[in-house]
Amino acid sequence: GAVVSQHPSRVICKSGTSVKIECRSLDFQATTMFWYRQFPKQSLMLMATSNEGSKATYEQGVEKDKFLINHASLTLSTLTVTSAHPEDSSFYICSAVAGSSYNEQFFGPGTRLTVL
Amino acid sequence: DQQVKQNSPSLSVQEGRISILNCDYTNSMFDYFLWYKKYPAEGPTFLISISSIKDKNEDGRFTVFLNKSAKHLSLHIVPSQPGDSAVYFCAASLFIFGNEKLTFGTGTRLTIIP
Repeated sequence: GAVVSQHPSRVICKSGTSVKIECRSLDFQATTMFWYRQFPKQSLMLMATSNEGSKATYEQGVEKDKFLINHASLTLSTLTVTSAHPEDSSFYICSAVAGSSYNEQFFGPGTRLTVL
Repeated sequence: DQQVKQNSPSLSVQEGRISILNCDYTNSMFDYFLWYKKYPAEGPTFLISISSIKDKNEDGRFTVFLNKSAKHLSLHIVPSQPGDSAVYFCAASLFIFGNEKLTFGTGTRLTIIP
């Protein structure tokens, strides 16, 4: 299957700082990428849909000013958690849709964010 | 409102036997269903899917059954192997404004006992 990478895999930061997470599709171009968040023992919750060259679409309850998404190219989307707080600590996962693949999203390995 | 539910948080099955994981959904607009396998600290890996126009899809040891009237799907793994131990998520797909949106269940942790 297609490969999606995320960087960093794990980050620990102080409260009030901003953290950027990168999501890359390594062997295909992705016009659409998704960002999910997973709390312990809960399902993956869709945060936003990122389309290359346009503004991201955020799910209800997700603050767009806090979770900044930039999909600058067909292989890269970034999620920036601004002014992070301990309640933002979670597992963040991105996925990318391969252009020729219908209804199949390829997921990155995830980023564990811990805010102290 | 949890539109996709996996009511069994965990399941233990003897190696070689059949594993059956269940999933229920509430939104009749979902048109595609997928199963993902996830190891700790990793992203989900696609396993098998089924369109809403079908009632069965088989791929090797994995078979997914869909009962639209009951809004229920299940994943059968036979024979179960130790490497199958993982968390399994079912997901339902909805196409909105040209974008596919996945709604995930809470997952079932499958443990295969050697």
